[in-house]
Amino acid sequence: EAGVVQSPRYKIIEKKQPVAFWCNPISGHNTLYWYRQNLGQGPELLIRYENEEAVDDSQLPKDRFSAERLKGVDSTLKIQPAELGDSAVYLCASRSTGHEQFFGPGTRLTVL
Amino acid sequence: QKEVEQNSGPLSVPEGAIASLNCTYSDRGSQSFFWYRQYSGKSPELIMFIYSNGDKEDGRFTAQLNKASQYVSLLIRDSQPSDSATYLCAVSLGGSQGNLIFGKGTKLSVKP
Repeated sequence: EAGVVQSPRYKIIEKKQPVAFWCNPISGHNTLYWYRQNLGQGPELLIRYENEEAVDDSQLPKDRFSAERLKGVDSTLKIQPAELGDSAVYLCASRSTGHEQFFGPGTRLTVL
Repeated sequence: QKEVEQNSGPLSVPEGAIASLNCTYSDRGSQSFFWYRQYSGKSPELIMFIYSNGDKEDGRFTAQLNKASQYVSLLIRDSQPSDSATYLCAVSLGGSQGNLIFGKGTKLSVKP
């Protein structure tokens, strides 16, 4: 079974530039999460999808962050414009009906 | 503010010893408790979960939960150098299907 796929793995941009991250969850997993992990911290939830519906986006900074999950499969997380404080690892995770969330390898974003 | 607290470490133990990792949480409504392992530069992976007070054993790992004290721990017996990683405690208010709140993690180093 293929795991959660994320791209790109690394991204370096200048502040005020836009950036997008892509996630392909494990086949058949209806629940998809986007997390942000700062250095030395645990992951923090940004948004949770059940199929194509965002059921919890309370922690998503909506002034600059947006996300979509078309057709309830792949998802894209966008930041526009990026700020220095957005430098972090962005993790995507998916879950089926069980308790375990499976994490992708993450995208390490550096904003200069 | 719902919080999950962990000692950031590093916790250093000799090979073959028992490593004890601790976690406290603030919300008494928390229902499910998870331990994730994260190697440097990698994504978190689930080691164990526990829902009920008491102990749960899986191989060399034992999770312990005390809801009255709002305390959960992870014991690793016969520690190996390959166990060296950051261990993240996570709690869910909504049972296994709820969102996870992660602690900052405890860095464990097992010395040969």
